[in-house]
Amino acid sequence: EAGVAQSPRYKIIEKRQSVAFWCNPISGHATLYWYQQILGQGPKLLIQFQNNGVVDDSQLPKDRFSAERLKGVDSTLKIQPAKLEDSAVYLCASSLVLGATLTNIQYFGAGTRLSVL
Amino acid sequence: DQQVKQNSPSLSVQEGRISILNCDYTNSMFDYFLWYKKYPAEGPTFLISISSIKDKNEDGRFTVFLNKSAKHLSLHIVPSQPGDSAVYFCAASEDNFNKFYFGSGTKLNVKP
Repeated sequence: EAGVAQSPRYKIIEKRQSVAFWCNPISGHATLYWYQQILGQGPKLLIQFQNNGVVDDSQLPKDRFSAERLKGVDSTLKIQPAKLEDSAVYLCASSLVLGATLTNIQYFGAGTRLSVL
Repeated sequence: DQQVKQNSPSLSVQEGRISILNCDYTNSMFDYFLWYKKYPAEGPTFLISISSIKDKNEDGRFTVFLNKSAKHLSLHIVPSQPGDSAVYFCAASEDNFNKFYFGSGTKLNVKP
């Protein structure tokens, strides 16, 4: 079974430029997450999709970040314009919709390392 | 508002000995707890979980203990192996679906 695919693996941009990241979740996984992981910190949830609907985007800086999951499969996360503090690894994860007794295991991609100069 | 804390950034253990990684949380509504392991240049991978109806869960060499009154959980690895060297994250959620909060991770080094 193929895992969560993310691209690109690395991206270097200047501040105020825009950037986009792509994620293809595991086939059949209805839930998709985007996390931001700043160096030395744990992953922080930016946005959670259930199929193509947003479940939680409370920590997404909506003035500069946007995400979409058209057709409920792959997803893109965009930053426009980027700031220095956006330098981080952006992780995508997916999970099955599940019953209350099963653990919600999230499967992570390798991430995109963004450097904003 | 760091709701999940891993206060030890690193831990070094001799091969064959026990590794104990700790995690504290502040939100008493958390009911589901997971541990993830992360190797460099890879995404985190699920290791073991526990829900609040239990105080212990075992999977091979890995055991997670939950102390709800103390809002504390720990991961025990026995015996530790060099391949266990990685960063370990604990994560918690109120309802096993919405928003998991992650700790900042503990880097485990198992020396041969």
